[in-house]
Amino acid sequence: DQQVKQNSPSLSVQEGRISILNCDYTNSMFDYFLWYKKYPAEGPTFLISISSIKDKNEDGRFTVFLNKSAKHLSLHIVPSQPGDSAVYFCAASRSISNDYKLSFGAGTTVTVRA
Amino acid sequence: EAGVAQSPRYKIIEKRQSVAFWCNPISGHATLYWYQQILGQGPKLLIQFQNNGVVDDSQLPKDRFSAERLKGVDSTLKIQPAKLEDSAVYLCASSQYNEQFFGPGTRLTVL
Repeated sequence: DQQVKQNSPSLSVQEGRISILNCDYTNSMFDYFLWYKKYPAEGPTFLISISSIKDKNEDGRFTVFLNKSAKHLSLHIVPSQPGDSAVYFCAASRSISNDYKLSFGAGTTVTVRA
Repeated sequence: EAGVAQSPRYKIIEKRQSVAFWCNPISGHATLYWYQQILGQGPKLLIQFQNNGVVDDSQLPKDRFSAERLKGVDSTLKIQPAKLEDSAVYLCASSQYNEQFFGPGTRLTVL
C-alpha cells in the first residue's frame, strides 16, 4: 500500500527556471514531511523538511509547501542549477509514534538543462 | 563527522546463494535502519533497531532475511537463500532524532 506518491517520475527544466516537484500522501496521521536528494551511487541526503503545524518552509533556493487538507506537498527549487540534477524523494512520518519511521515515494528524477 | 559506512558496495550472486551486508552507523546514533530500494521505487523499510533491540521488522521477509545489531553499533543484514527479486540497493541509515543519514548502499544483483 503506497502511502506516499510521487506521480511524476521525471522532470526536465532549464537552468535558472523553477523546478516544482509534487507529492501526495494518503495517511492522515502523517505530520512530518521530508525531501531527500539522491545522486547516482550515493545514498539519499536530507534536503528540507516541514512539520504539519506549518504550511511553508524555506531554505535558500528550496521551499516546501504543505496543503494538509489536500494531503499534498510540493518542493520548489528556484533558480534551478545543473547540480540539482538528481532523484528527489518525498518522505513522511508520524512524530507521535516516536520511531521516526519514514514512508517514501517512488522519486522524481530532475534533469536541469544548461 | 564520518558518515554511515556500508560494505560491500556491489555484490553479484546466483540465486539460492547467501549474501551478507555490513553497516557502521554514525557514532552515537542509537537508531539504525535497513531499507531495500528496488529500481524505480522508493526505499522500503526492512528493519529498524533501537540500540541492539528490534523496533520494527514487520516488512522483513523472515524466511530468508535476517539482521542483527550486536552491541548496538554495527549491523549485518543477511539473505539466505537469495531470489531473483532480491536484486536491489540495500541502504543503511542511522539517526539520533528525526533526520536519517544514509550510507551509499550495497547494490545486489541476483542472477
